[in-house]
Amino acid sequence: NIVLTQSPAALSVTPGESVSLSCRASQSVGTSIHWFQQKSNESPRLLIKYASQSISGIPSRFSGSGSGTDFILSINRVESEDSSIYYCQQSHSSLLTFGSGTKLEIK
Amino acid sequence: EVQLVETGGGSVQPGRSLKLSCVASGFTFSSYWMYWIRQAPGKGLEWISSINTDGVGTYYPDSVKGRFTISRDNAENTLYLQMNSLRSEDTATYYCAKGLYYFSGVPFDYWGQGVMVTVSS
Repeated sequence: NIVLTQSPAALSVTPGESVSLSCRASQSVGTSIHWFQQKSNESPRLLIKYASQSISGIPSRFSGSGSGTDFILSINRVESEDSSIYYCQQSHSSLLTFGSGTKLEIK
Repeated sequence: EVQLVETGGGSVQPGRSLKLSCVASGFTFSSYWMYWIRQAPGKGLEWISSINTDGVGTYYPDSVKGRFTISRDNAENTLYLQMNSLRSEDTATYYCAKGLYYFSGVPFDYWGQGVMVTVSS
């Protein structure tokens, strides 16, 4: 199985800061990495598909990059509503896997 | 508007069975792969099954393989998850989700609201 390791596990930032969340795959997944946002007591929401492709309706401050084994979700100038857990997920293998998540707190 | 509505959750004793349903609307259900994903209380997301468009191809992780069965009724726009030999570690919120495109290897673009399953004696 492809293991996805996310870091950091948690971070706390002030509004207006920019952050980078990491997702590392145990083997190459090409660009088959997708990012989800999950707010408290809500279903996850797709933020970024195929490492860097934007999703309609998602604010432009969210962007993704990477290929192979190393991926980054960037949030430019975080806002209070960005307080969530962020998960990466791979679809390179038919045995799909998620990372363990990064909890983002906005002070 | 795409909607996915899960039902069938509840509390069940270890070793018993439960069947979840997910009724889909707002898209051509028969054209998309569908998925079940679960989340134990306070934990992360875990994919637990995939099914192709005609229901013949199914996939599971080792954690549920042989115990859970995914199926679909394209005439009724409904996805199912039959869960047998339930264990306490199966306690979770179960989500159904739709694939973004007509083929496999795609992200989940819509999720249901989730249904809670509690396995306890």
